[in-house]
Amino acid sequence: QVQLVQSGAEVKKPGASVKVSCRASGDTSTSYDINWVRQATGQGLEWMGWMNPNSGKTVYAQRFQDRVTMTRNTSTSTAYLELSSLRSDDTAVYYCTLSTSTGHWGQGTLVTVSS
Amino acid sequence: DIQMTQSPSSLSASVGDRVTITCRASQGISNWLAWYQQKPEQAPKSLIYGASSLQSGVPSRFSGSGSGTDFTLTISGLQPEDFGTYYCQQYDSYPLTFGGGTKVEIK
Repeated sequence: QVQLVQSGAEVKKPGASVKVSCRASGDTSTSYDINWVRQATGQGLEWMGWMNPNSGKTVYAQRFQDRVTMTRNTSTSTAYLELSSLRSDDTAVYYCTLSTSTGHWGQGTLVTVSS
Repeated sequence: DIQMTQSPSSLSASVGDRVTITCRASQGISNWLAWYQQKPEQAPKSLIYGASSLQSGVPSRFSGSGSGTDFTLTISGLQPEDFGTYYCQQYDSYPLTFGGGTKVEIK
């Protein structure tokens, strides 16, 4: 079994950047694709992008294309989501998830953007 | 982008009831569909993938069906712990997209 553990809550000012981490623990012998999904308070789920951890190849949602970067550190089984030029409407819980069929989700990281 | 439309947006049902939630894709997605349950202040929990395959540990009262554009999540015998919001998601093509959610309340 794989567990995904995300970094803690962040508070950022508008215009700043945030970097959220997602570390896989347990059975990491199999490499799974990673998706990032966010959810604003009281809203639905929004997919942000995908990364293949072996190749580092990424596909980003068009609306985040110029502000998002997904990276990984294979030696620590950790994936990262960086979002720049933060705005108040980026306030949300950010989740990492593995390939859909695995059903594995991180616990979520609350990012608050406020002046 | 593939649009996912769920209905109803909310429902209230009694313990023991059979509950059905539908999800329609704006174009064919074969069986690349997943269902999630989310409770307040929790991460979504995966229930079903591949339109009808139950995730490990998910009670057998949950079932999924459909292919192409029309899909259904059925709860056969609603339990008190089944409250929450249910989402469908297509993973046929990028961008992955979610339905708007169905809030299930227990009468």
